[in-house]
Amino acid sequence: AQKITQTQPGMFVQEKEAVTLDCTYDTSDPSYGLFWYKQPSSGEMIFLIYQGSYDQQNATEGRYSLNFQKARKSANLVISASQLGDSAMYFCAMREGVGNQGGKLIFGQGTELSVKP
Amino acid sequence: EAGVAQSPRYKIIEKRQSVAFWCNPISGHATLYWYQQILGQGPKLLIQFQNNGVVDDSQLPKDRFSAERLKGVDSTLKIQPAKLEDSAVYLCASSRRGPWEIEQFFGPGTRLTVL
Repeated sequence: AQKITQTQPGMFVQEKEAVTLDCTYDTSDPSYGLFWYKQPSSGEMIFLIYQGSYDQQNATEGRYSLNFQKARKSANLVISASQLGDSAMYFCAMREGVGNQGGKLIFGQGTELSVKP
Repeated sequence: EAGVAQSPRYKIIEKRQSVAFWCNPISGHATLYWYQQILGQGPKLLIQFQNNGVVDDSQLPKDRFSAERLKGVDSTLKIQPAKLEDSAVYLCASSRRGPWEIEQFFGPGTRLTVL
């Protein structure tokens, strides 16, 4: 069964506008972590933001915020004030368990974001 | 601080040949990961080392893939013999202490083409 689903293969956004990248997940473990990574054309994966299942507030890191809706099992990434350098593949990932009981990272299929000038 | 280094960056081989990839993690990082990323998909964990011991190799096709991390520093991933479906980018990553760390640091990857 697909654990992480990203339904948007590609997205376009105008420079300086905000964009939301969708991610839904499936787990029966009450303890889990949700991650977003960026993969530019150079190939390396860059960690952006993390949300723990017990975190009360949505995570934010600069222009990135994670819209965590636990009941809906969604963890959407919001990028504010898009920049040309934000053009890349974006992957949502989940890790079941926390702390030293944590399992492996499971990635979604990715969303390709293109920022238009 | 230097990032995760991988070599070669690109490799083209014929099916049934052997190939090896090398990874040098960030200095002092205890945990090392090898991922396989097939075109159009997210990375899939192949094997995870904690120092020089294997923590998880449940998704490693052990009939053809092998990996080692001697002395708990750099690591080598080998495929022997290669199949067409092994064409992918092989990513190496490391984290400071253990798999519970939030952030993994990735290298640029090795793009393998099997003809």
